[in-house]
Amino acid sequence: QVTLKESGPVLVKPTETLTLTCTVSGFSLSNARMGVSWIRQPPGKALEWLAHIFSNDEKSYSTSLKSRLTISKDTSKSQVVLTMTNMDPVDTATYYCARIRGSNSNYDYWGQGTLVTVSS
Amino acid sequence: QSVLTQPPSASGTPGQRVTISCSGSSSNIGSNTVNWYQQLPGTAPKLLIYSNNQRPSGVPDRFSGSKSGTSASLAISGLQSEDEADYYCAAWDDSLNGPEVVFGGGTKLTVL
Repeated sequence: QVTLKESGPVLVKPTETLTLTCTVSGFSLSNARMGVSWIRQPPGKALEWLAHIFSNDEKSYSTSLKSRLTISKDTSKSQVVLTMTNMDPVDTATYYCARIRGSNSNYDYWGQGTLVTVSS
Repeated sequence: QSVLTQPPSASGTPGQRVTISCSGSSSNIGSNTVNWYQQLPGTAPKLLIYSNNQRPSGVPDRFSGSKSGTSASLAISGLQSEDEADYYCAAWDDSLNGPEVVFGGGTKLTVL
C-alpha cells in the first residue's frame, strides 16, 4: 500500500525557513523513474506546483520560487525534504507531497497535506 | 494567476452532463498530456483522468477527458451529488528553466 505523509511545523514566523518532510511507504525512492513533488494550496485557492525530485536525483523548481526552494531526498529513510527560505504570510498554505512516475506523468498518490501558517 | 485557464465554476442537476474546459499553450497542453484531479471538500486531490483520456482503476466511466491542440476538457455524465468538488487540470510545461508542472485555477462544480 502506497502512502505519503507530510510533517513539519504548523506555524512559522516571517523571514524564517520552513523545512517539510515527506515520508513515503509502499515504494522505494530508488525505483527507476520514481519521483516526489511538493505542491501547495493557499486557503480557498488553487494548487501550485513547487518542486520535484526523481530517483536519479534530477530536480526541478518552480520558476517563481526557485531562489527560495531546495529539495532533497534520503532514500534510506524513504524521505523527501523541502526547504523554503524567507517565509512570508502569503506562503500560508496546505503543503502536499505526491508521487510521480517519470516526467510527463501524473500524481497517482498524494499525502493528506499539512497546513503551514506564517504569522508573527 | 494560474498558467492553465479554467472556468471558476460550473453547475448541473443530477443526471445532467457537464463539461469543464482547460486552456493552455504550446509549451504545456500543446506538447504534453493533460491530467485531471478531483478535490472533495477538506481532502487531498485525487487523480481522475491521466494522459488526456485515461481513467485510473476505480474511477467511474461517467468521467471522460479529451484534448485538442492547446485545450482540454473534462466531461461528467450522469451527474451525481457526490461529484460536487473542485476539479483541476494539470500538465507539464517545457519551461526554459526546466520542466515544470502547471495547474489550472480550479473549477468548483455544484450539483443543484
